[in-house]
Amino acid sequence: AQKVTQAQTEISVVEKEDVTLDCVYETRDTTYYLFWYKQPPSGELVFLIRRNSFDEQNEISGRYSWNFQKSTSSFNFTITASQVVDSAVYFCALSQDGSGNTGKLIFGQGTTLQVKP
Amino acid sequence: DGGITQSPKYLFRKEGQNVTLSCEQNLNHDAMYWYRQDPGQGLRLIYYSQIVNDFQKGDIAEGYSVSREKKESFPLTVTSAQKNPTAFYLCASSIRGGAILSGNTIYFGEGSWLTVV
Repeated sequence: AQKVTQAQTEISVVEKEDVTLDCVYETRDTTYYLFWYKQPPSGELVFLIRRNSFDEQNEISGRYSWNFQKSTSSFNFTITASQVVDSAVYFCALSQDGSGNTGKLIFGQGTTLQVKP
Repeated sequence: DGGITQSPKYLFRKEGQNVTLSCEQNLNHDAMYWYRQDPGQGLRLIYYSQIVNDFQKGDIAEGYSVSREKKESFPLTVTSAQKNPTAFYLCASSIRGGAILSGNTIYFGEGSWLTVV
């Protein structure tokens, strides 16, 4: 069975703190895709990153970084020097179709991040 | 502007009524999706369509129906058979055959809130 677990329901930090959002996944596919999305209070999902199962390189984009470890089936997301604008719900997702062709996703339950000034 | 447009943003339904949520995209994407989000939970796939005049059930299709008569449009009807329709509904689209194009990035609309009164 495929599953995505985001064990942290809510996280609260003070501005400028670093914060890591955890994501653990389960899949039997050898080829799969992982995603992170941000959902601000307005509701839309904003795409942050896509990673395929063959690429275990960590990625950094500005204050955001992602740590993908197949050995532990984890795809964690770190925000460095958090800002109030980072406050949102963050979702980790796994492609249901291992080839990634259909774009069907399985989502974790989301982590609500609150960054206080 | 290119993107996905959902309407209405807020909709109220009486018990026993069918309602239709609109989703239009001008991204020239072949594939479109409908997801449902309940409070404090992740998104679950209702229906998806990879090409015009074809669609497939997702994980929670019961009580819903869709059509895909045009590439840019994928309306979702919430029927009276859906016993608990109050939720946030998100439409999404993506390029078909995404694995060939370095993975499938799914873009989301701003969502529609449906409440049963």
